[in-house]
Amino acid sequence: SQQGEEDPQALSIQEGENATMNCSYKTSINNLQWYRQNSGRGLVHLILIRSNEREKHSGRLRVTLDTSKKSSSLLITASRAADTASYFCATAAAYSGAGSYQLTFGKGTKLSVIP
Amino acid sequence: EPEVTQTPSHQVTQMGQEVILRCVPISNHLYFYWYRQILGQKVEFLVSFYNNEISEKSEIFDDQFSVERPDGSNFTLKIRSTKLEDSAMYFCASSPAPYEQYFGPGTRLTVT
Repeated sequence: SQQGEEDPQALSIQEGENATMNCSYKTSINNLQWYRQNSGRGLVHLILIRSNEREKHSGRLRVTLDTSKKSSSLLITASRAADTASYFCATAAAYSGAGSYQLTFGKGTKLSVIP
Repeated sequence: EPEVTQTPSHQVTQMGQEVILRCVPISNHLYFYWYRQILGQKVEFLVSFYNNEISEKSEIFDDQFSVERPDGSNFTLKIRSTKLEDSAMYFCASSPAPYEQYFGPGTRLTVT
């Protein structure tokens, strides 16, 4: 599999339930980020977790990072219909000295929250 | 809250034509990026720009592509001679430091 692979590819849940999406990656990272994309729209930054962090919270979002397993998970609690979107993880590699970080995106998980 | 803006939102062009996609990054940001997303596929890195020069580029970013920061606010992506396979959503992003990137809403490029 490639860098930043999410699973599942698609997830359908009822409003109020929790949604968990996973991401695996292959190379050493500086940080891992999660983005949301509504259909045909831009990417909205949700949360960034650095390689030395294990867990981070932001509102109803909880992200974990396990660098030994090269994996991360995004948990959305008490989901709402408005959470319906595609969710992508993106990894930023360890600094190469090039002066910037390119993000490597996964294919995303398409989340549908049914009212 | 400051946002990255992109124009136009949708561009239709004929194969072989030149297109310029425009972006206005967030004003105090120093790092600028272009990504693209072919329909149904991953978001792919094209190029990053820092200190008035390209700092990294992917193998997608060949001689047909160029970037410019012509003034203090705009950041442009030019495709010299468009091909059908250039049809995609193009995203501009900026960041104050080389970490968290803020993306614009994208320009949908359709090459016919």
